[in-house]
Amino acid sequence: NAGVTQTPKFRILKIGQSMTLQCAQDMNHNYMYWYRQDPGMGLKLIYYSVGAGITDKGEVPNGYNVSRSTTEDFPLRLELAAPSQTSVYFCASSYAPLAVGGAYNEQFFGPGTRLTVL
Amino acid sequence: QKEVEQNSGPLSVPEGAIASLNCTYSDRGSQSFFWYRQYSGKSPELIMSIYSNGDKEDGRFTAQLNKASQYVSLLIRDSQPSDSATYLCAVIAETSYDKVIFGPGTSLSVIP
Repeated sequence: NAGVTQTPKFRILKIGQSMTLQCAQDMNHNYMYWYRQDPGMGLKLIYYSVGAGITDKGEVPNGYNVSRSTTEDFPLRLELAAPSQTSVYFCASSYAPLAVGGAYNEQFFGPGTRLTVL
Repeated sequence: QKEVEQNSGPLSVPEGAIASLNCTYSDRGSQSFFWYRQYSGKSPELIMSIYSNGDKEDGRFTAQLNKASQYVSLLIRDSQPSDSATYLCAVIAETSYDKVIFGPGTSLSVIP
């Protein structure tokens, strides 16, 4: 299994450009998440999905959009990039809700996408 | 705004010592708590999850939860240089079944 994969690894955007960050998982996980991590900070949840066709906002959704047409893929769309969106973006997935104890609630992270907006 | 706070560090301990990492949270109704380790330039990986008051041990790691004090800690016994990383505390608030709130992380350096 490849686990959680993200592309691209690095990207530089100009202000106002748009792009899509790709995320895929091959573990048949229902739950998928997008986080951003600013330097020296913890992760902030942007959007999450509990299954194909179902998405919901996290703490910092402004400036982003998501879709979940399949179980495997959860792309994150940036429209009109701004310098404030310079960050490292992590995608994650889990089999079960994180609030459920047990062996199936571990959240697996992808390697991240480092985005710079100039 | 529900918050999770951690000492930013850096925390330095000698090899073989016990490292103690602390985390406080503001949402009294929080029920699920996690500790992640993140090496520089890498993605977070789960070390421990804890849901009930008391201690939970896994190898050299012990998580301690005190809901009355809204406090969760991570102890690392026999610290090794390979434990040098940033440790992230994460909490799920009572009303947010899937939304994880992360603290800013504590940087740990284990000195050989």
